[in-house]
Amino acid sequence: EAGVTQFPSHSVIEKGQTVTLRCDPISGHDNLYWYRRVMGKEIKFLLHFVKESKQDESGMPNNRFLAERTGGTYSTLKVQPAELEDSGVYFCASSQRLTPTLTGELFFGEGSRLTVL
Amino acid sequence: GENVEQHPSTLSVQEGDSAVIKCTYSDSASNYFPWYKQELGKGPQLIIDIRSNVGEKKDQRIAVTLNKTAKHFSLHITETQPEDSAVYFCAASRETGANNLFFGTGTRLTVIP
Repeated sequence: EAGVTQFPSHSVIEKGQTVTLRCDPISGHDNLYWYRRVMGKEIKFLLHFVKESKQDESGMPNNRFLAERTGGTYSTLKVQPAELEDSGVYFCASSQRLTPTLTGELFFGEGSRLTVL
Repeated sequence: GENVEQHPSTLSVQEGDSAVIKCTYSDSASNYFPWYKQELGKGPQLIIDIRSNVGEKKDQRIAVTLNKTAKHFSLHITETQPEDSAVYFCAASRETGANNLFFGTGTRLTVIP
């Protein structure tokens, strides 16, 4: 069974440009999460989808970030316009259950590294 | 909100030695403490977790201890092997969902053959 896949693995863009990151969760997982790790710091929660609905977007840093999950399958995270401080690794994770921490069933993708110059 | 501190940021050990990574948390209501291992080119993967009603948990060469009073928890790896080399993240949660999972800053462990 395929795991969580993310694309691209690495993106280098100029400040002010737009980047779209994509995440394909494990098939059948209704819950999809985005996290971000800025260089050397902690992994931080960005938002949580249940199917196509945003359950919690309290971690989104500002309105330059737009996440979508049309059809409740894959998700995209768009940064527009990108700023230097947006550089980091963006992780996607998925789970079957709403509270995956109860069962340890939270599966991460390998991450998309974003570098903003 | 929860604040998780993790030390050290880097750790090098000789193969066969033990490695210990320590974390502290601030929210006394946190009751679930997972540890994730991120190997090169891969995403974080859960390796062991502990809940607040338990003081210690072991799984082969890996063990985790929790001191609720001091708000400390630690990861212990014995008989380290080169394949243990990775970045390790601790985390704390109230078990209300993965949106309330607070991570430490990570420890890069290098096991020297």
